[in-house]
Amino acid sequence: AQSVAQPEDQVNVAEGNPLTVKCTYSVSGNPYLFWYVQYPNRGLQFLLKYITGDNLVKGSYGFEAEFNKSQTSFHLKKPSALVSDSALYFCAVRDEDYGQNFVFGPGTRLSVLP
Amino acid sequence: NAGVTQTPKFRILKIGQSMTLQCAQDMNHNYMYWYRQDPGMGLKLIYYSVGAGITDKGEVPNGYNVSRSTTEDFPLRLELAAPSQTSVYFCASSSRPALDSPLHFGNGTRLTVT
Repeated sequence: AQSVAQPEDQVNVAEGNPLTVKCTYSVSGNPYLFWYVQYPNRGLQFLLKYITGDNLVKGSYGFEAEFNKSQTSFHLKKPSALVSDSALYFCAVRDEDYGQNFVFGPGTRLSVLP
Repeated sequence: NAGVTQTPKFRILKIGQSMTLQCAQDMNHNYMYWYRQDPGMGLKLIYYSVGAGITDKGEVPNGYNVSRSTTEDFPLRLELAAPSQTSVYFCASSSRPALDSPLHFGNGTRLTVT
């Protein structure tokens, strides 16, 4: 079965510092991995995705994610955090066995402190 | 460009009442989805549709029904509302069936059943 874990409920980082939001996954086939961001009272917004190829994926708003097949991880990163990056972040996975269903992690709340 | 529009934004129901959550998209997407979001649980798929006239169950379909008479609209029906259906409901769409196709989300409907 598919599953996604985000081991940290909350991540706090100072503005200007690098940030990492962790995600690990389990699928039976090739993974299609996504990061979404949710601002208060809004729907989820797509940030970036991994299919196959480069292990470092670049996305919107300066975010990037590092895919590690041996560790089954897809951590979200940003070199210099902004206060406006404070939001709820979700990792999600799909694979061929489960077709249309995205499996979402429980979410990590990122707080960037000024 | 409105994207995915959900109405209402908020609703309070009494146990046993029924209601329909509306979802419309103007992107001509064939694929549409209903998710529910509960704190610390990520998003769970309720129903999805791959085109007008075609719907299928997701992970948590019990207590819900859907229809898809047009490409644009994908309403979610709650019959005999129960407190367990208190949640935030998100409608989403995507343009193609490929596994790397991201979802476009509406802003959600916050439902409370008392």
